[in-house]
Amino acid sequence: GENVEQHPSTLSVQEGDSAVIKCTYSDSASNYFPWYKQELGKGPQLIIDIRSNVGEKKDQRIAVTLNKTAKHFSLHITETQPEDSAVYFCAGSYNTDKLIFGTGTRLQVFP
Amino acid sequence: KAGVTQTPRYLIKTRGQQVTLSCSPISGHRSVSWYQQTPGQGLQFLFEYFSETQRNKGNFPGRFSGRQFSNSRSEMNVSTLELGDSALYLCASSITSGTTEAFFGQGTRLTVV
Repeated sequence: GENVEQHPSTLSVQEGDSAVIKCTYSDSASNYFPWYKQELGKGPQLIIDIRSNVGEKKDQRIAVTLNKTAKHFSLHITETQPEDSAVYFCAGSYNTDKLIFGTGTRLQVFP
Repeated sequence: KAGVTQTPRYLIKTRGQQVTLSCSPISGHRSVSWYQQTPGQGLQFLFEYFSETQRNKGNFPGRFSGRQFSNSRSEMNVSTLELGDSALYLCASSITSGTTEAFFGQGTRLTVV
């Protein structure tokens, strides 16, 4: 069935460094890949998304890349700041609002 | 513009009881999806409603049900609660159904004792 794998489960970086989180999906028909940031006590917040007709998308310090052949996509955060500390989830879907989520990555940015 | 509103924020119920959770989507959004979040299983899709019709359903038992009203507000119901139903229940709204940006509410934290 549909599955999204996410790595690593935890990631610690120094402030100012870059962070990369990777996801792999199983359903080759998937065409929409959002990334969410979840802070303690809050719901997931959509931070960036990419569709299958695009290979890369960037929004300020955040970028997402997609490799359809290899069925994986990655989140890149540059110049990390302490406020980037949160749990990040990747997800995939195909023409529906049924999102299949990865297991999450806890990012800690140390000052 | 107000975000997705879920009520109540916290709920404590006893095993065997039933519970109803409410979700008001962003104004103008017509699709509402529900997810269950637990430490062990992560975020799992429950169901999606669009124009008062269930469009998609996840792999949950029939004790989990939902509905959507003509104003796009949605409710989910869990009957015969089990300890394992303790979770954060999240609602997400989208403008329309089908691979559009989904925005989540803060969730309802359900504890079953």
